[in-house]
Amino acid sequence: EAGVTQFPSHSVIEKGQTVTLRCDPISGHDNLYWYRRVMGKEIKFLLHFVKESKQDESGMPNNRFLAERTGGTYSTLKVQPAELEDSGVYFCASSQYGSSGYTFGSGTRLTVV
Amino acid sequence: LAKTTQPISMDSYEGQEVNITCSHNNIATNDYITWYQQFPSQGPRFIIQGYKTKVTNEVASLFIPADRKSSTLSLPRVSLSDTAVYYCLVGDHPDTGRRALTFGSGTRLQVQP
Repeated sequence: EAGVTQFPSHSVIEKGQTVTLRCDPISGHDNLYWYRRVMGKEIKFLLHFVKESKQDESGMPNNRFLAERTGGTYSTLKVQPAELEDSGVYFCASSQYGSSGYTFGSGTRLTVV
Repeated sequence: LAKTTQPISMDSYEGQEVNITCSHNNIATNDYITWYQQFPSQGPRFIIQGYKTKVTNEVASLFIPADRKSSTLSLPRVSLSDTAVYYCLVGDHPDTGRRALTFGSGTRLQVQP
């Protein structure tokens, strides 16, 4: 079974540019989550999709972040325009009802310079 | 969501048993207890989940007392490859309410040869 795949693994962009992160969850997993860790901080929740619907987006820091999950498969997280404080590692996870735990991807390390 | 408290760091030697205790005094009735392991440059990896008493899998054991206000992750005969950060989380339920996870600071386990 393929795991959760995130692309790119690393991204370096200039302040003010746009970046789009992609997450491919485990096939068949209805629940998809985005988390991030900024330097020196704890891993923080951003949002939760159930299929294509946003179940909880209480962790999204501001309106420069836009997450989509068209068709309930893969998801994208767009940051526009990027700011220096957006630097960090963005993790995606997926889960399915009835199974234990969440499966995380390896993350995308975003550096805004 | 229930807050967790666990030691910041622990040291051990290869072949020893390691027990990491987590406090979660305000755990809710429906909350499960889940432990994750994270290596550098990787996403958290599910280790074990339980609700009460004892759970054992091929990787670890999880001990939960009757009041469920704490839990202990037990790693038998650790090796160097067990050096990682271990997170204790409460709030997930495998069958319902697969909501956001709240990560704390975790316990950094260092295994020495």
